[in-house]
Amino acid sequence: EIVLTQSPGTLSLSPGERATLSCRASQSVDNSYLAWYQQKPGQTPRLLIYGASSRATGIPDRFSGSGSGTDFTLTISRLEPEDFAVYYCQQYGSSSITFGQGTRLEIK
Amino acid sequence: EVQLVESGGGLVQPGGSLRLSCAASGFTFRSHWMHWVRQAPGKGLVWVSRINNDGTYTTYADSVKGRFTISRDNAKNTLYLQMNSLTAEDTAVYYCATGGSGYCYNWGQGTLVTVSS
Repeated sequence: EIVLTQSPGTLSLSPGERATLSCRASQSVDNSYLAWYQQKPGQTPRLLIYGASSRATGIPDRFSGSGSGTDFTLTISRLEPEDFAVYYCQQYGSSSITFGQGTRLEIK
Repeated sequence: EVQLVESGGGLVQPGGSLRLSCAASGFTFRSHWMHWVRQAPGKGLVWVSRINNDGTYTTYADSVKGRFTISRDNAKNTLYLQMNSLTAEDTAVYYCATGGSGYCYNWGQGTLVTVSS
């Protein structure tokens, strides 16, 4: 299985700041089949990005994804109060899909 | 509106079995891949299994391979997860989800499975 390692584990920022979340794969992710999800307490995950850089329906353009191979990034250009949550990356380029362990984005 | 409603969770002893169901509505179930994803209390997401639209292709996480079986009944718009040889490590909320062959864009609210003696 491909292991995804997200960093940092916790990111403390203020509204209006830029957030950069990293996801590193233990081996190359085929076809950049990498997705990002947001999960708030008590809620189900919300798909943000798929195919490494394509925004899902209804996702604001302050969310953007980039990367290929083994290194991927989720960027939130200007943090809104509702963006503070846990973020997960997921690879689906292999037959066994895996998630990263998550990055908690908290208000500074 | 897409609705996914899981059921079948509960308390089961180690070594026991449980069958989860996911009733789908609001979309053309037979045209979509389906997934099971679990989340232990206070922990991260763990993908469990997926099945293609007609049920002919399935894949599993290494941690459940040989113990869990995913299946679907397109006539009943229902997804299943048969779980055998359960251990405490399988304790989690189990979500069914739909989307592409890999990513998931609609999620159910989940059903809690607790494995304990």
